[in-house]
Amino acid sequence: AQSVTQLDSQVPVFEEAPVELRCNYSSSVSVYLFWYVQYPNQGLQLLLKYLSGSTLVKGINGFEAEFNKSQTSFHLRKPSVHISDTAEYFCAVRVAGGTSYGKLTFGQGTILTVHP
Amino acid sequence: DAGVTQSPTHLIKTRGQQVTLRCSPKSGHDTVSWYQQALGQGPQFIFQYYEEEERQRGNFPDRFSGHQFPNYSSELNVNALLLGDSALYLCASSQTGRLTGAGELFFGEGSRLTVL
Repeated sequence: AQSVTQLDSQVPVFEEAPVELRCNYSSSVSVYLFWYVQYPNQGLQLLLKYLSGSTLVKGINGFEAEFNKSQTSFHLRKPSVHISDTAEYFCAVRVAGGTSYGKLTFGQGTILTVHP
Repeated sequence: DAGVTQSPTHLIKTRGQQVTLRCSPKSGHDTVSWYQQALGQGPQFIFQYYEEEERQRGNFPDRFSGHQFPNYSSELNVNALLLGDSALYLCASSQTGRLTGAGELFFGEGSRLTVL
């Protein structure tokens, strides 16, 4: 089985400051890794994903994440945040390969609040 | 291009009742997955439908059942509702077999169920 731990439940930052949202995972098999964002009263939107290849992954809205296999981490970063980045962020994993297209295991979420 | 659409957006039921939630996948997608997101939690996988059959199931009781129709739309049924079933129910669609999009799910905005 897979599990995901998001180390911070809430992260407050000021506008234009850098931010890092931390995610660790546990799995006995290879996994794909994802970050999703959820704005209030909306569904989930994919920010970025790691399937294979370069461990630094760039996504939408200026976000990037680095896959670290030895530390089983997939931290999300943005060098300068905007008010509009205020949302809840979810890290998720899926077993690599096979037909598990729909089965993601999510972390508990990190609420990012950007202050002016 | 319409994304994933879900109905109803909000509903209130009482304990013991039954509820049906509906989902239309994104155009071109043939696989539908359902998730339950309790307040303050990450989404939890309920089950996945492909070719009108349940392909995978998460750790949910048999009170949770589903169906997929020939047009790929899907329903989630919950019988004998409990207070603990109160949650946001998310539908996600994907296109099976697209390796480049492996694991990428497109989520609807959800149906918020309140059980009194």
